[in-house]
Amino acid sequence: DQQVKQNSPSLSVQEGRISILNCDYTNSMFDYFLWYKKYPAEGPTFLISISSIKDKNEDGRFTVFLNKSAKHLSLHIVPSQPGDSAVYFCAASGANDYKLSFGAGTTVTVRA
Amino acid sequence: DVKVTQSSRYLVKRTGEKVFLECVQDMDHENMFWYRQDPGLGLRLIYFSYDVKMKEKGDIPEGYSVSREKKERFSLILESASTNQTSMYLCASSFPLLAGVKDNEQFFGPGTRLTVL
Repeated sequence: DQQVKQNSPSLSVQEGRISILNCDYTNSMFDYFLWYKKYPAEGPTFLISISSIKDKNEDGRFTVFLNKSAKHLSLHIVPSQPGDSAVYFCAASGANDYKLSFGAGTTVTVRA
Repeated sequence: DVKVTQSSRYLVKRTGEKVFLECVQDMDHENMFWYRQDPGLGLRLIYFSYDVKMKEKGDIPEGYSVSREKKERFSLILESASTNQTSMYLCASSFPLLAGVKDNEQFFGPGTRLTVL
């Protein structure tokens, strides 16, 4: 049973607009969350992370929001660019655990 | 820059063959992982290792084994390949967790697309 869920398999957004990717988790022991980006024929690359002691973390165009009570996090990309077209994976881990649980991924397509 | 390399980008094997997938990292990471990626299922952990000669089962270890004889190298073995093992295989590595520091970012290799006929 997947503990990390990305319920939207795909997202299409116009260049310059905001992309919002959502992720839900079921394990209340998770305390660290990461987003990875993956291009075809390449391995995933780390994008941004957030610890459970925070509710927001920002890095340039990328912001991750965490709502612990709802067990929900989201990734905002503003503004979206054509190079952002990729698959985005949400991942989570518990305290003292170096294993990551991944969601199924969301394919983002940025239209010119 | 962390570099994780995998021995093959594409591999085609026949049912029943023994298959070896090799992974090498150059950052002296203690932890290494093998995942498979399938559409709609994301990345699923097969096996991981937190030290030389140490290994632990992940979520889907059936039909696979691993070997870690050296710190930098982690091998995934399909003892008798089957068609349901056709997938993208991804290797990753990371530092161990440090007391008071939460940063378990994993660094991934480019993946091996395995097709079993």
